[in-house]
Amino acid sequence: NAGVTQTPKFRILKIGQSMTLQCTQDMNHNYMYWYRQDPGMGLKLIYYSVGAGITDKGEVPNGYNVSRSTTEDFPLRLELAAPSQTSVYFCASISHYFRSTDTQYFGPGTRLTVL
Amino acid sequence: DQQVKQNSPSLSVQEGRISILNCDYTNSMFDYFLWYKKYPAEGPTFLISISSIKDKNEDGRFTVFLNKSAKHLSLHIVPSQPGDSAVYFCAAGAQGGSEKLVFGKGTKLTVNP
Repeated sequence: NAGVTQTPKFRILKIGQSMTLQCTQDMNHNYMYWYRQDPGMGLKLIYYSVGAGITDKGEVPNGYNVSRSTTEDFPLRLELAAPSQTSVYFCASISHYFRSTDTQYFGPGTRLTVL
Repeated sequence: DQQVKQNSPSLSVQEGRISILNCDYTNSMFDYFLWYKKYPAEGPTFLISISSIKDKNEDGRFTVFLNKSAKHLSLHIVPSQPGDSAVYFCAAGAQGGSEKLVFGKGTKLTVNP
């Protein structure tokens, strides 16, 4: 199992450009998450999905969109990049709703800089 | 409003000594707590967890203590090793119905040889 994979690892965008951050998991997990981590801060939830076709907003959804057409993939879309979106983005997955026997598995992250 | 707080941004200890990382929470609905470890340029990895029905959970060198009345938990690492140097995140959630974890800001642990 590759676990959770993210592409690209690094990206520099100009203000106003758009891009999609890719996330794929091969563990057949139902739940998937997108977080961002700003310097010196914890992880903040952007969007999450409890299954294909179902998505919901997290704590900081503004400026982002997501879709979940398959169990494996959960892309994150930035439509009009802004400097405030400079961050490290982590995708995570878990098999189902949160239980004591489960934990979230994280991808390696995408470091995005918006200039 | 921070629901999960890690008030120490950094901690430095000598190899072989104990490392104690602290975490406080405000939401009484949280009933499950986790610690994640993160190395630079990598995603967080799960370290240890504890349910609110327990006050202690141990896994090798790592022990998590939970004080529900104080809404406080701590991670003890004994003995500390240089490879433990990383950022440690405390996270909290509610079992069986909540899909989301809330993370603290992290504590950077440095273990000096």
